[in-house]
Amino acid sequence: GIQVEQSPPDLILQEGANSTLRCNFSDSVNNLQWFHQNPWGQLINLFYIPSGTKQNGRLSATTVATERYSLLYISSSQTTDSGVYFCAVERIMIYNQGGKLIFGQGTELSVKP
Amino acid sequence: GAGVSQSPRYKVTKRGQDVALRCDPISGHVSLYWYRQALGQGPEFLTYFNYEAQQDKSGLPNDRFSAERPEGSISTLTIQRTEQRDSAMYRCASSGFSRTGGVGELFFGEGSRLTVL
Repeated sequence: GIQVEQSPPDLILQEGANSTLRCNFSDSVNNLQWFHQNPWGQLINLFYIPSGTKQNGRLSATTVATERYSLLYISSSQTTDSGVYFCAVERIMIYNQGGKLIFGQGTELSVKP
Repeated sequence: GAGVSQSPRYKVTKRGQDVALRCDPISGHVSLYWYRQALGQGPEFLTYFNYEAQQDKSGLPNDRFSAERPEGSISTLTIQRTEQRDSAMYRCASSGFSRTGGVGELFFGEGSRLTVL
């Protein structure tokens, strides 16, 4: 099956710093989503980004599908950004409606005040 | 409702008992997914439905696990004869149609944390 690797596994930042999280995947995908699991366990969808670049406030994401990676940028980090960030991909399937997202192991981010 | 609703939020059971976990998706969402998440791991796919049809159950660990969505809305994940290794967070998600025909934007519920003693 498709492999999803996220780096770094852990990251500690001082409030106000910027960071880049990376997601590599081993096969062609038609779907990539980024999620944030907050310290209370809620899993929130950040971006639906199979290709290109999107921005939402201090967060932005870029997916280069041809090179099989995606990046999540966090600028001016805040303590509320702490938690685990997951990348999830769906492999391209022919004649398939819907499918399944395969998650990476996540990057655990801790932002210190 | 406004979001994906799961119940119970917490379930403690004894080994050998059956449990049923319920998921009420976002109104109008066609697709419904079940995932399982162990501590410190990413969510692991179990099964998914389009409307009432179970499209893929390849992630169900064994035949003690089953899921249904009889009217294309609420879904139930049932685990029979629970074992300690079944302890985990069980997450439900729903999505609408996507332009690509694949998985749409996923919205997760708060999960059901199962502990098997």
